[in-house]
Amino acid sequence: EPEVTQTPSHQVTQMGQEVILRCVPISNHLYFYWYRQILGQKVEFLVSFYNNEISEKSEIFDDQFSVERPDGSNFTLKIRSTKLEDSAMYFCASSPSPGNNAGEAFFGQGTRLTVV
Amino acid sequence: KQEVTQIPAALSVPEGENLVLNCSFTDSAIYNLQWFRQDPGKGLTSLLLIQSSQREQTSGRLNASLDKSSGRSTLYIAASQPGDSATYLCAVRRSGGYNKLIFGAGTRLAVHP
Repeated sequence: EPEVTQTPSHQVTQMGQEVILRCVPISNHLYFYWYRQILGQKVEFLVSFYNNEISEKSEIFDDQFSVERPDGSNFTLKIRSTKLEDSAMYFCASSPSPGNNAGEAFFGQGTRLTVV
Repeated sequence: KQEVTQIPAALSVPEGENLVLNCSFTDSAIYNLQWFRQDPGKGLTSLLLIQSSQREQTSGRLNASLDKSSGRSTLYIAASQPGDSATYLCAVRRSGGYNKLIFGAGTRLAVHP
């Protein structure tokens, strides 16, 4: 069964460093998302991406963050100058084009980011 | 602003019980509602998707209902098993396209033998 794949599963970085979280969405999906979950808190939306551009972003997604789809399969989240409060589980998700299960979101297993 | 609330926050039951998990949302203008399962430290597994025009969806021992006008959904788990122990998340997508999901805080379920 197709799945969303995220790498790495766990990343530890020093405060101030840049990290890139990688995702391979399901191959025929057209809509891509990043969410995060701080330990013990709700899953919260960061950004959505469609047709090679950001379609929506949250207040969290400031200039520190950027997304890119560098080729036909990868979708990346870059976090510049990481802060302690960026420590969280980051989830990538994708959704297919309209159809019988229109709008169903499929999530990856997440990348646990720890900023020290 | 859409807000999603899940009740109860936690539930501990003996194996074999039938369970009802509740989800409520403040804005009825939704595109769909999705139930997920999350195991500790893991990703989100989609359980059921209900489109705004549907009333319920079933998958095995799981049944989810949607009452859009009252802003409520319930997830019914029949004959619970220890393997059902996990956190169950409800999320709604605003109408108008493939917008973001807004999540509830989840119900943490423990089923003991």
